Amino acid sequence: KNQVEQSPQSLIILEGKNCTLQCNYTVSPFSNLRWYKQDTGRGPVSLTIMTFSENTKSNGRYTATLDADTKQSSLHITASQLSDSASYICVVTPGDYKLSFGAGTTVTVRA
Amino acid sequence: DAGITQSPRHKVTETGTPVTLRCHQTENHRYMYWYRQDPGHGLRLIHYSYGVKDTDKGEVSDGYSVSRSKTEDFLLTLESATSSQTSVYFCAINPDSNQPQHFGDGTRLSIL
Repeated sequence: KNQVEQSPQSLIILEGKNCTLQCNYTVSPFSNLRWYKQDTGRGPVSLTIMTFSENTKSNGRYTATLDADTKQSSLHITASQLSDSASYICVVTPGDYKLSFGAGTTVTVRA
Repeated sequence: DAGITQSPRHKVTETGTPVTLRCHQTENHRYMYWYRQDPGHGLRLIHYSYGVKDTDKGEVSDGYSVSRSKTEDFLLTLESATSSQTSVYFCAINPDSNQPQHFGDGTRLSIL
């Protein structure tokens, strides 16, 4: 069964600090990996998308990395802000509608 | 935000009653999806549609049916709701299956 595992399950950081979220997957075949941000009470919103040949992608203060050989990805948040408090979801797809979702990492940013 | 609206946003009902959730889009996208989201689980696909009257099952389709009579509307029906179907339901759309999905803001459904 294709799986996507995220760690940690949750974390708390102080405003202005950096943090890194991890995603390990066993999905095969692999087409692309996406990171979504989900605010409380809202639907997920796409942050980044990376194909097999890409190993890094940035979106403002968010930087995603991908190692397709080890099937690992990370999402780095730089200079965190209170608005970064959310759940971050790793999504892997073989290239069609069959997305495999991780359970998410809940990030809490405190002033 | 992509033009996608879910209704109702919240609903409380009793076991055994029928429930219909609506997803409406203004993007004219071909693909529409219904997911459920439960604590400790990733989003799980219930059903999806690849065109008007064209639908297929996802990984957790038991107890659910869908209909798509118009491009803009995708309905999810629980014929006889059970407590295990208490969840947050999300609709998503995209123009083709390789593009990122845009999600609605969800329907929180409680079945007592």
